[in-house]
Amino acid sequence: IAGITQAPTSQILAAGRRMTLRCTQDMRHNAMYWYRQDLGLGLRLIHYSNTAGTTGKGEVPDGYSVSRANTDDFPLTLASAVPSQTSVYFCASSDLPRSTQYFGPGTRLTVL
Amino acid sequence: GQNIDQPTEMTATEGAIVQINCTYQTSGFNGLFWYQQHAGEAPTFLSYNVLDGLEEKGRFSSFLSRSKGYSYLLLKELQMKDSASYLCAPMDSNYQLIWGAGTKLIIKP
Repeated sequence: IAGITQAPTSQILAAGRRMTLRCTQDMRHNAMYWYRQDLGLGLRLIHYSNTAGTTGKGEVPDGYSVSRANTDDFPLTLASAVPSQTSVYFCASSDLPRSTQYFGPGTRLTVL
Repeated sequence: GQNIDQPTEMTATEGAIVQINCTYQTSGFNGLFWYQQHAGEAPTFLSYNVLDGLEEKGRFSSFLSRSKGYSYLLLKELQMKDSASYLCAPMDSNYQLIWGAGTKLIIKP
């Protein structure tokens, strides 16, 4: 693989279910990010990680959790999905926090 | 607070030139990024400005004025494939990108 991959590509989920969105990068980037994008709004940062073993909260962290056990992987978990979490989710990575961010292809999530 | 202001939508003709403006307010400043996003796809990096002035990269150029909180993206020799949204994203003092809703550019033949 080259770059950033995300899985699944799309998912329909019943409200109340737990869901983990996967993100893997092979560029050995230190920093990784999770964003959500809703129609008519800019990208909003959910959580980020500046280096393996550390995470931080972004603008809209409620209802989401992340972990960064190694450099390559940065999964995003919705503990109990709600309809307002219906969105397109993008994972991104950068060499350093101040560097250019590169995005994965996105996961389209629908919560019913 | 932090905010970004870009036009919601612009229309231009194939072969022409278009300028997409962006004004911003951020807590601290660590440069400004422009991304292109085609419908249904991920944003892709176009340009980065950290000093005042013009950065040219092929058909695309980006300008920054830090004192005015202003940037623009200039697209020359427009092609149909340039139809996309263009996202202006300044980086604040915490190295977080501040995203606006973007400008949807429609290219007509």
